[in-house]
Amino acid sequence: KNEVEQSPQNLTAQEGEFITINCSYSVGISALHWLQQHPGGGIVSLFMLSSGKKKHGRLIATINIQEKHSSLHITASHPRDSAVYICAVPQTYGGATNKLIFGTGTLLAVQP
Amino acid sequence: NAGVTQTPKFRVLKTGQSMTLLCAQDMNHEYMYWYRQDPGMGLRLIHYSVGEGTTAKGEVPDGYNVSRLKKQNFLLGLESAAPSQTSVYFCASSRLQETQYFGPGTRLLVL
Repeated sequence: KNEVEQSPQNLTAQEGEFITINCSYSVGISALHWLQQHPGGGIVSLFMLSSGKKKHGRLIATINIQEKHSSLHITASHPRDSAVYICAVPQTYGGATNKLIFGTGTLLAVQP
Repeated sequence: NAGVTQTPKFRVLKTGQSMTLLCAQDMNHEYMYWYRQDPGMGLRLIHYSVGEGTTAKGEVPDGYNVSRLKKQNFLLGLESAAPSQTSVYFCASSRLQETQYFGPGTRLLVL
């Protein structure tokens, strides 16, 4: 069964800074998910990736399958990026049920 | 499209009372999930369904029951609420091995 660790748990940045959030997992996976949870509570999926890199606007997600590690980067951070960022991986490799294991999240605060 | 909706948004129960949380999705997804989110812990899977008429236990199923009588709806029931079930409950839906779409959440307080 997979386990997920995120770092850091808390991160405070100044507007405009480049931000990196890390995620490590213990068991081989088919894909990794990054999600965003805003202070109001809603959860939105940002990326699902199985190799290499994906980019959406100022957000970039990378994954190294061999090292069992993924990073989420935010370029030119803005106060509206303040949220909890959550990493999730399948419970077992190749599982046919989409069951995910979630990290505890990284609380990001971007100050103006 | 409304996506995934949950009702109610907030509820207060007394210990021993029962209630049902309703999740509805209009994306024709086969897979639906109920999670709970507690401070300092990641989302944990309570029950899930891989299609109409089927349900299965997740990581923390005790004290909860579910039903998926229609493809678009997934109900989570608490037969006898306990203070340990105070939490925020999220429903999600997806296709196989694709992105999960989450509802807005239901805050439940059990006194």
